[in-house]
Amino acid sequence: QVQLVESGGGVVQPGGSLRLSCAASGFTFASYAMHWVRQAPGKGLEWLTFIRFDGTNKYYADSVKGRFTISRDNSKNTLFLQMDSLRTEDTAVYYCAKGWGYFASWGQGTLVTVSS
Amino acid sequence: EIVLTQSPATLSLSPGERATLSCRASQSVISSYLAWYQQKPGQVPRLLIYGASSRASDIPDRFSGSGSGTDFTLTISRLEPEDFAVYYCQQYGGSPFSFGQGTKLEIK
Repeated sequence: QVQLVESGGGVVQPGGSLRLSCAASGFTFASYAMHWVRQAPGKGLEWLTFIRFDGTNKYYADSVKGRFTISRDNSKNTLFLQMDSLRTEDTAVYYCAKGWGYFASWGQGTLVTVSS
Repeated sequence: EIVLTQSPATLSLSPGERATLSCRASQSVISSYLAWYQQKPGQVPRLLIYGASSRASDIPDRFSGSGSGTDFTLTISRLEPEDFAVYYCQQYGGSPFSFGQGTKLEIK
C-alpha cells in the first residue's frame, strides 16, 4: 500500500532553514507528481508546492515562492522541501501528498515550529 | 489565482439529516477539477470526491459531489455520527492548487 513518511521537522529560529524529506513506498514514485501542503495550528489547509514526476516542472504558492524549494530524488524514492528564511507564520504541520492534482494519499505530517 | 469560498463556515445538524456544503470559486474551475476532503481532529485529510463528482475509493455512497464552473456542492445524504468533521474543497485546474477555508460540520 502507498506509504508516505515525512521527517525533518523541528524547532528553528526565525530566519533559519530546515530541509524536510518524504520517503515514499508502495508505488512507482518516479511516475507520480508530488506536492507539499501545510496546516498551521487550528487553521485550514494551504497548498505550497508541486513537482512533476520527472522534476522538470515546479509550482509554488506566493507565500513561499523564493524561500522554499521542492525537489525529488527518484532513485531514492524521496521528496524534499528546502525551507529558507523561515518566518513565525511558517509554523505548521507539513504534509507531502501524492498525485497530479488531487491527493488520494497523504503522509502523517511533520511539525515545523519557527520561534525564537 | 482562484479563490475558493466555502459556506457555511459552520453547519449544525443531527445524525440522519442531510448536509449540503457549498464551495464557490472566484473564476471558473477548468474541467471541474474540484476535490473534497474530510478531516477529523488529529487526523490526516481524507479524499472524498475528485473531478467534482467522482467518489474516491472506499467512500460511502451517501457522499456525493456536484457542480461545475464556479459553484460546487458536497452533499451527505444521511449523516452518520462519524461524518462530523471539517470539510475542505480544493481546485487543481491550475497553480496555485488552492483550498477553501473549510466548513465545520458539527452535531446539533
